[in-house]
Amino acid sequence: DAGITQSPRYKITETGRQVTLMCHQTWSHSYMFWYRQDLGHGLRLIYYSAAADITDKGEVPDGYVVSRSKTENFPLTLESATRSQTSVYFCASSGLAGGETQYFGPGTRLLVL
Amino acid sequence: AQSVTQPDIHITVSEGASLELRCNYSYGATPYLFWYVQSPGQGLQLLLKYFSGDTLVQGIKGFEAEFKRSQSSFNLRKPSVHWSDAAEYFCAASTGTASKLTFGTGTRLQVTL
Repeated sequence: DAGITQSPRYKITETGRQVTLMCHQTWSHSYMFWYRQDLGHGLRLIYYSAAADITDKGEVPDGYVVSRSKTENFPLTLESATRSQTSVYFCASSGLAGGETQYFGPGTRLLVL
Repeated sequence: AQSVTQPDIHITVSEGASLELRCNYSYGATPYLFWYVQSPGQGLQLLLKYFSGDTLVQGIKGFEAEFKRSQSSFNLRKPSVHWSDAAEYFCAASTGTASKLTFGTGTRLQVTL
């Protein structure tokens, strides 16, 4: 199906483990984004990418790594998970800059024990 | 710093009553403005957006929003709320640079029957 998908939808891990969250979009959108959603904070931008092999930090990048070798994929890796990274993670994509609409995936709920 | 403020954390309205959700922004220039809705356990869906032109913007599901430059506001309205409108609503803004969105902290809408 066309659209933007995230996997896994739910993940439980332990402190110190590496975790990778996947994001895939079928629109060939140039821009892709990772947000985390926490109570009282709304959504905050972690990293974004303007195109394959071009990534940049957002508001809260510490502890996260991204890559974008293909236009359609934008994985987010927690190199050594911490309890403070327990959150709901949303991936989004948009076709252009200049205020173009972002389309969001269904989210990944991550619990770090 | 650029910011988006939603002063109401939680609002309860009766089905059939009118609704207004507040949003204020703090930007150097007028940003692109968005309203998203998030149903429980779901991703975010765009309700409407404002780029320029007519300050009253129509969206999906019977929602509208009015941009007021003098008040730095972009309030969301609906004349008659339905029980299915119960959700969390996010106001967001972008300067257009890489379409990075800054979100408000959200307003949770409860609808009583």
